[in-house]
Amino acid sequence: KQEVTQIPAALSVPEGENLVLNCSFTDSAIYNLQWFRQDPGKGLTSLLLIQSSQREQTSGRLNASLDKSSGRSTLYIAASQPGDSATYLCAVTGANSKLTFGKGITLSVRP
Amino acid sequence: NAGVTQTPKFRVLKTGQSMTLLCAQDMNHEYMYWYRQDPGMGLRLIHYSVGEGTTAKGEVPDGYNVSRLKKQNFLLGLESAAPSQTSVYFCASSWAGAISGELFFGEGSRLTVL
Repeated sequence: KQEVTQIPAALSVPEGENLVLNCSFTDSAIYNLQWFRQDPGKGLTSLLLIQSSQREQTSGRLNASLDKSSGRSTLYIAASQPGDSATYLCAVTGANSKLTFGKGITLSVRP
Repeated sequence: NAGVTQTPKFRVLKTGQSMTLLCAQDMNHEYMYWYRQDPGMGLRLIHYSVGEGTTAKGEVPDGYNVSRLKKQNFLLGLESAAPSQTSVYFCASSWAGAISGELFFGEGSRLTVL
């Protein structure tokens, strides 16, 4: 059974810092990996989708990498801002075409 | 373009009551999903649909039923609500399924069962 782990569960950083959020998964037989953002009381918004054949995707200040063989992905956020404060979840699509979510990392960016 | 819309956003039920959550998407997506999100448990798939008239069980289907009579709508029903079904429910849709496409989520429906 696929398991997705995100550690730590919470992170607090000062504004302007570059930071890395980690995601690990147990079964490397995946089709893709997605990073989502969730604001309090809101739904999930897809940030980046990396197909299994890709190594990374970039969108603005966000860069996500995928190392399928080691079962790891990172979300890099450059020059963090208070508006980046949210919960970030990663999810992998396995061979059964089902999505398995991590529990998320709650990020707080202090002004 | 509304995307994925869920109604109602909040609901309080008594144990044993029934209710239906409605999910509507205007993106002509084939795939639709119902998840529940609980503290410490993450998001878990309840039921999903790969097209109009089709439904399938997910990870935690017990106590729920679904219907997809129209392509744009996916209904989640609770026939006899239990306190264990207190949760936030999210609907999601995608064009080509999780294998190739990103998921679009609604804003959630917060259900409390007393």
